[in-house]
Parts: sequence; C-alpha cells; structure tokens
Amino acid sequence: DTEVTQTPKHLVMGMTNKKSLKCEQHMGHRAMYWYKQKAKKPPELMFVYSYEKLSINESVPSRFSPECPNSSLLNLHLHALQPEDSALYLCASSQTGGHEAFFGQGTRLTVV
Amino acid sequence: DQQVKQNSPSLSVQEGRISILNCDYTNSMFDYFLWYKKYPAEGPTFLISISSIKDKNEDGRFTVFLNKSAKHLSLHIVPSQPGDSAVYFCAASGTDKLIFGTGTRLQVFP
Repeated sequence: DTEVTQTPKHLVMGMTNKKSLKCEQHMGHRAMYWYKQKAKKPPELMFVYSYEKLSINESVPSRFSPECPNSSLLNLHLHALQPEDSALYLCASSQTGGHEAFFGQGTRLTVV
Repeated sequence: DQQVKQNSPSLSVQEGRISILNCDYTNSMFDYFLWYKKYPAEGPTFLISISSIKDKNEDGRFTVFLNKSAKHLSLHIVPSQPGDSAVYFCAASGTDKLIFGTGTRLQVFP
C-alpha cells in the first residue's frame, strides 16, 4: 500500500468557518508533511511532522493549525481563512531520513 | 529566492522521440534530487530520484543525469508517449524537506 489518502477532495468554506483537512497513510512512514500549491506554482512546504512532533513550521499564519494524532494521521485545522488561502493542499509522507515523499491527491480548498 | 529552477515552462515533443527536462539548483548542500509528475488537481507522483554521489540513474524509459559541478540535473524520457503529457517538477532534498522547482509542462503529440 503506497497510498496517502486525503479527505475531503473538495472544500468550500466561508471566512468565518472552522474546518479540518485529514490525511492518512499506512506505509509506516514517520514523517508527514503539509504543502500548499497555488495554480501554476510549485508546491510550497507548510509543516513537517517527524515522529508525531512538529519539526518544521515554515512561518505559516496561525489560521492554519496542524495536528498529528498518531503516526498514521495528519490533520490541518482551518479557521478564519482568507480568499487568498484558496489552493490545493497536499499531504505527503516519507520514511524519516528518507527522500522520496509520497503525496495524496490533495484537497481543493476554496474560501469565499 | 528560488533555490530550484526549471527555466522552461513548457516543452512539446513528438511521440517516440526523446523528452529532456532540465533543472538547476543553487544550494550545494542538497543531497538528493527527485522528479515528480503531476496532473491537474492531483498530487505529484514520484518518478525517479538520484543521490548527489551519483551522476546517473535509470528506470525504464526514465533517466536522470546529475552534473554537480554545474548544479544541473535533467530528466530524459525515451521514447516519449502521449500519456507522459503532464507537469514535471524537479525537487531537491535537504534537512527533512523537499524544495520544488517551478515545473515544466510536457506535451507529447502523436
């Protein structure tokens, strides 16, 4: 099983809403990532979790709040987002110290 | 500051011929390089990688070449197929994170 599963696939939310993006992998990977990708741009790293601890936070606004409940799950809690936060949000996982990251299909987020 | 660059935003190649996608980087501390293929509204799919201690890695139709002195890598696809049409990202690995290039859209026509 080389799959990273993200839910939901699409999400439309208002600027006052609270929502969560979910990511799951069963490859035994201990590193998990959130990336954000805007149209015609490369994926940009937001957060890295290693062994369920946040190891990299790329100065992301506090309206994005990651959570890693266990080694297989990664959530991204969203609150008071802005329209410019609309993007494709990608989850990925890898072996710790490994290089190949496996990506989920992404959640297409639209903030209205 | 873009540490990984793909200077060709698009490439068009005839089916059966070779596709060559290029990537340049600035940070000599990167120790691993990867190529990903991406379709619209989907996550990137890993294609092939190369360690900084090697200069070539081959997997089927895909070959990646690394020139460390020039800080340049390339992906060769031969023969190119219409199903290869997608956006290709190179990525460099360092300290627990991948840094992606800007992508090259490859179109393979019959």
